[in-house]
Amino acid sequence: EAGVAQSPRYKIIEKRQSVAFWCNPISGHATLYWYQQILGQGPKLLIQFQNNGVVDDSQLPKDRFSAERLKGVDSTLKIQPAKLEDSAVYLCASRRAGVYEQYFGPGTRLTVT
Amino acid sequence: DAKTTQPPSMDCAEGRAANLPCNHSTISGNEYVYWYRQIHSQGPQYIIHGLKNNETNEMASLIITEDRKSSTLILPHATLRDTAVYYCIVREEGSGNTGKLIFGQGTTLQVKP
Repeated sequence: EAGVAQSPRYKIIEKRQSVAFWCNPISGHATLYWYQQILGQGPKLLIQFQNNGVVDDSQLPKDRFSAERLKGVDSTLKIQPAKLEDSAVYLCASRRAGVYEQYFGPGTRLTVT
Repeated sequence: DAKTTQPPSMDCAEGRAANLPCNHSTISGNEYVYWYRQIHSQGPQYIIHGLKNNETNEMASLIITEDRKSSTLILPHATLRDTAVYYCIVREEGSGNTGKLIFGQGTTLQVKP
């Protein structure tokens, strides 16, 4: 089966610009996660979707970050406006109902200059 | 915050067993121990999980102490491709659980020829 797809793989923007990341989870996986991984740290959960509803967005900086999962399949994470401290790898993961293993995509490496 | 403590780094000779320790002294009765690893420039990958019994799969073995306050991940014959950051995660299971993973700093395992 195909894995979690993410695009773009790399993105460089200037501070105060906007950026969007896209994730296509594994087919049939109802739960989708977005993580932020700053260099040298473990991934940190930003938001979790169950189908197209938000389950947990307690760690999402809502003044600048937004995410949606229309139709319960693909998801988009947006940052507007970006700050220097947003430089990180943004990982998408998905999980099938009843199974607790999460499957991660390769991530998008964002550099904010 | 992560509920686990791991050494920041370890070395292992190729072909030898790699034993990665993890302390989780505050683990509660319904919490499982999960191990993921992250190879450079990739997303984390599930390895194994367990509650109280030792577990083995095609990738590794998980040994959990009787009091469940610590565990050891064993890679029986480490190869250069096992060089990665290994994360030990404690997570509550059961209905209503979001499946959220809280990553710590992990252990960087360097397998040397």
